[in-house]
Amino acid sequence: GAVVSQHPSWVICKSGTSVKIECRSLDFQATTMFWYRQFPKQSLMLMATSNEGSKATYEQGVEKDKFLINHASLTLSTLTVTSAHPEDSSFYICSARVPTGYEQYFGPGTRLTVT
Amino acid sequence: QKEVEQDPGPLSVPEGAIVSLNCTYSNSAFQYFMWYRQYSRKGPELLMYTYSSGNKEDGRFTAQVDKSSKYISLFIRDSQPSDSATYLCAMRDTGGFKTIFGAGTRLFVKA
Repeated sequence: GAVVSQHPSWVICKSGTSVKIECRSLDFQATTMFWYRQFPKQSLMLMATSNEGSKATYEQGVEKDKFLINHASLTLSTLTVTSAHPEDSSFYICSARVPTGYEQYFGPGTRLTVT
Repeated sequence: QKEVEQDPGPLSVPEGAIVSLNCTYSNSAFQYFMWYRQYSRKGPELLMYTYSSGNKEDGRFTAQVDKSSKYISLFIRDSQPSDSATYLCAMRDTGGFKTIFGAGTRLFVKA
């Protein structure tokens, strides 16, 4: 299957700072990438959909100015959590859809802890 | 009513048992069906995917889709402790942009 990587896998930051998470499709070009958030023992919550070269589409209730998404190339999307607060602590997972099919492949996730 | 319903479990079975995981859905336009496995603190891993109705087998795993009943299943034969994880069903229609995920079923296979 296709491979999606995420970096960093774990990050701790202080309240008020910003954190950038990178998502890369390693062996295919992804015109569409997705960002999810997951709380312990809960399912995936779609935050936004990003398309290469255009603005991301955010789900209802997700703050665009807080969660900045940039899909700069066909293999890279970034999520920046701005002015992070403890309630932003969560597991963030990116996903990429193969261009020729309907399958989505997920990255390993990034655990963010805001102190 | 949610578009996709999945019992969150937990489901606990002895090693070697046949496991049946299920999802129901309400949108008859769904055509693509997927099963993901997620270990704790890891991203979901695509296990199997099928298009429209029918069965698909891969090793110990069998996926079934019954579109007339809007019901999909994942069977795991000869379950192993390493199969202990959360299993998520997912589906999408032909023209749809989003993949809709079930809540996930937590499975424990006891040695």
